[in-house]
Amino acid sequence: KQEVTQIPAALSVPEGENLVLNCSFTDSAIYNLQWFRQDPGKGLTSLLLIQSSQREQTSGRLNASLDKSSGRSTLYIAASQPGDSATYLCAVKEGSGSRLTFGEGTQLTVNP
Amino acid sequence: GAGVSQTPSNKVTEKGKYVELRCDPISGHTALYWYRQSLGQGPEFLIYFQGTGAADDSGLPNDRFFAVRPEGSVSTLKIQRTERGDSAVYLCASSLQGGSTEAFFGQGTRLTVV
Repeated sequence: KQEVTQIPAALSVPEGENLVLNCSFTDSAIYNLQWFRQDPGKGLTSLLLIQSSQREQTSGRLNASLDKSSGRSTLYIAASQPGDSATYLCAVKEGSGSRLTFGEGTQLTVNP
Repeated sequence: GAGVSQTPSNKVTEKGKYVELRCDPISGHTALYWYRQSLGQGPEFLIYFQGTGAADDSGLPNDRFFAVRPEGSVSTLKIQRTERGDSAVYLCASSLQGGSTEAFFGQGTRLTVV
């Protein structure tokens, strides 16, 4: 059974810092990995999608990498801003079907 | 609409009652998913539709939960004899097709069973 772990569970940084969020998964037979952002009381906003054949994807200040063989992904946020404060979730689409399996998220607080 | 729409946004019901939660996916998306999210947890898979048929319903917790998508567009998640443990946010997502395409989520329905 696929398990997804995100470390750290919570992170607090001053504005302007670069930071890395980590995601690991136990079964490397995945179709893709997706990073989401969730604001309190809201749904999920898709940030980046990395296909299993890709190593990284970039969107603005966000860069996500994927090392499928070691079961790891990182989300790098450059020059963090208070508006980046949210919970960040990673999810893998499993090779045997089409469900997404989520980690429990990293709650990020960027202090002005 | 432009995104995935879920109604109602909030639902409070008494224990033992029946509830229906609605999801209107992005137009043209053939894949539709239901997830349940408890406070402080990641979303947990419930059921996946490809078109009108349930391709994977292995996440439904028990036979009180049922979902339909009769015309391959709007889906309804139905919960019978609700229990307090059913309280959670129910999220719906759609994607252009299954497999490797990106999933887009709605804002969720917060269900509270009292």
